[in-house]
Order: sequence, then C-alpha cells, then structure tokens
Amino acid sequence: KAGVTQTPRYLIKTRGQQVTLSCSPISGHRSVSWYQQTPGQGLQFLFEYFSETQRNKGNFPGRFSGRQFSNSRSEMNVSTLELGDSALYLCASSEDQGRIYGYTFGSGTRLTVV
Amino acid sequence: QKEVEQDPGPLSVPEGAIVSLNCTYSNSAFQYFMWYRQYSRKGPELLMYTYSSGNKEDGRFTAQVDKSSKYISLFIRDSQPSDSATYLCALLSGNTPLVFGKGTRLSVIA
Repeated sequence: KAGVTQTPRYLIKTRGQQVTLSCSPISGHRSVSWYQQTPGQGLQFLFEYFSETQRNKGNFPGRFSGRQFSNSRSEMNVSTLELGDSALYLCASSEDQGRIYGYTFGSGTRLTVV
Repeated sequence: QKEVEQDPGPLSVPEGAIVSLNCTYSNSAFQYFMWYRQYSRKGPELLMYTYSSGNKEDGRFTAQVDKSSKYISLFIRDSQPSDSATYLCALLSGNTPLVFGKGTRLSVIA
C-alpha cells in the first residue's frame, strides 16, 4: 500500500502570499488530519476531516483553512502568510479516526516564509 | 498545566543500554496511547499503540500505561544507533484529535 503522500516537500514563500498544500491519504482511509510542527511548540493540531466533513478544528486563526475531496484527498490553505507560519506541515490519515490503528503520517511539507 | 508533558531531553545513551521515555498527562478522558518515532526530515512513524493499562511488547519495544497515575512509558531494550530519533507520545480521547507531547530527542552512541 502506498503511504501518505504530501506535496510539495519544500516551499519558500514571501510574507503576504498564500499557499496550498496537498495530502493524498492511504487508499481506503477516510480521515485526514493536519498538524503544524515547530521546534518551540511541537506538533499542534490544525484540523481533521472525515468523509469531506470537518470534524475538529484546532486553535489557529482563520487564515488557515482546509478541505477534503470525495476521493479523500485533502488540501490546506494558508492566506496572508506571516514569518511565524514557517514550519513543517504534516498530514496524517486513518481509516477509523485513529481509534483502532492509529494515524499514519506523511513526510510533511517544509514551508519557509521570508 | 499542559495536557501532555514530556521531557525534551536530549537523552544520550551508549549502544546496548535500556532506554526509558515517559509522558504524564492531566486529562483522565484519554483512552488511546501511542508512541511515534520521528527521524530528522521525516514524518512521525507509529511505533506502539495501546488502549488499556498495562504493558504491550513488540520486539525490543515495550509500552506501559498506568491510567491511575496518568503516566505512560516506552522502554527500548538493547538500544541501537538506528534508534537515534525523536520519540513522541500521543494521546486520544473520544472524538477529540490526537494530542502530542513535545518529544524526547534520543541519541544512541556506538
């Protein structure tokens, strides 16, 4: 089975721009979660989607948004980028919202805002 | 008080040592307990998963959960240089998202 695929792997953007990150979950997984990882804060939850519906949302400003498509692929968007948005963005998929088999993570997208 | 506390280390041990990694948590609603390993420039990889108090063993790894003390541990026996990574505990409850500890950086010296 192919793993969780995140694209692009690396991205450099300028303050004020917007960015879209993509995540393809493991085939058959309907739950997709997004996390932001920084050295100071660790892994912080952004949002979770299950069958195209947002199930949970973390404590991030409205500049962070996401969506899930009917094929379970997910995208997250960050508008009006700030320097503090520089981080590793991780996507994780699960077939059961983690209750039986846990979550499988992709390798992440490293976003640098300059 | 943070929901999940984990000593960030770094922890440095000689090859062959037994490593003990720990997390404490404050929310008694947590029901599912996981340990992830993260190598540099990679995403976290699920190592161990348990949903009850007690021990679970998988090869050189043992996960231990003590719900009464709100304390979870990961033991690594016969540690190898390839075990050098950051280890993250992660906890789940009801319909809430996965909550992570900050991670402990481990170095196993040959």
